Amino acid sequence: DAGVIQSPRHEVTEMGQEVTLRCKPISGHDYLFWYRQTMMRGLELLIYFNNNVPIDDSGMPEDRFSAKMPNASFSTLKIQPSEPRDSAVYFCASSLRGFRERNTEAFFGQGTRLTVV
Amino acid sequence: DAKTTQPPSMDCAEGRAANLPCNHSTISGNEYVYWYRQIHSQGPQYIIHGLKNNETNEMASLIITEDRKSSTLILPHATLRDTAVYYCIVSTSGSRLTFGEGTQLTVNP
Repeated sequence: DAGVIQSPRHEVTEMGQEVTLRCKPISGHDYLFWYRQTMMRGLELLIYFNNNVPIDDSGMPEDRFSAKMPNASFSTLKIQPSEPRDSAVYFCASSLRGFRERNTEAFFGQGTRLTVV
Repeated sequence: DAKTTQPPSMDCAEGRAANLPCNHSTISGNEYVYWYRQIHSQGPQYIIHGLKNNETNEMASLIITEDRKSSTLILPHATLRDTAVYYCIVSTSGSRLTFGEGTQLTVNP
């Protein structure tokens, strides 16, 4: 397996534009996580899915952010409209099981570096 | 989520063991201790996790105290490629991992 694949790797957009980040989890993994990393706030969990269903979206900062998982092999994180303070590295991760269970590890993608100017 | 406390930074000589401490005094009985690391600009990488017993894998060893209030990650022979931020996480509410600030480990030649 190629691991968790995120696209694009880099995105530069103008304030007010819509941005869509994409993630392909590892095949067979039931959990998918979206994280955001900034210098000020570190790694923050935005939302996670179990079997394509959003379980906890309490980390999503505003209504401008939305995430979907239409099937087991694809997820998107959309920001509309984007603002300069959304500039960050966005990571997607997947795991076979939840973290209350033994022998669970999360595999992270290489991230999407988003710059909103 | 149980809070963890780690030193912000540590140094280690190449080839020596790196011992990274973590305090998690509020950990509850069914919570696992996870360790991840993040090499600059890359996604976090799983290292090891444990519940009560000490654990070892090809990357590292995890020593958990008997009262489970603290743990130590041991990299037995640190290399320059081990320079990274190391996160100690106590996994808890729901099925998620909550990252703290971690320890910046610098391995020096």
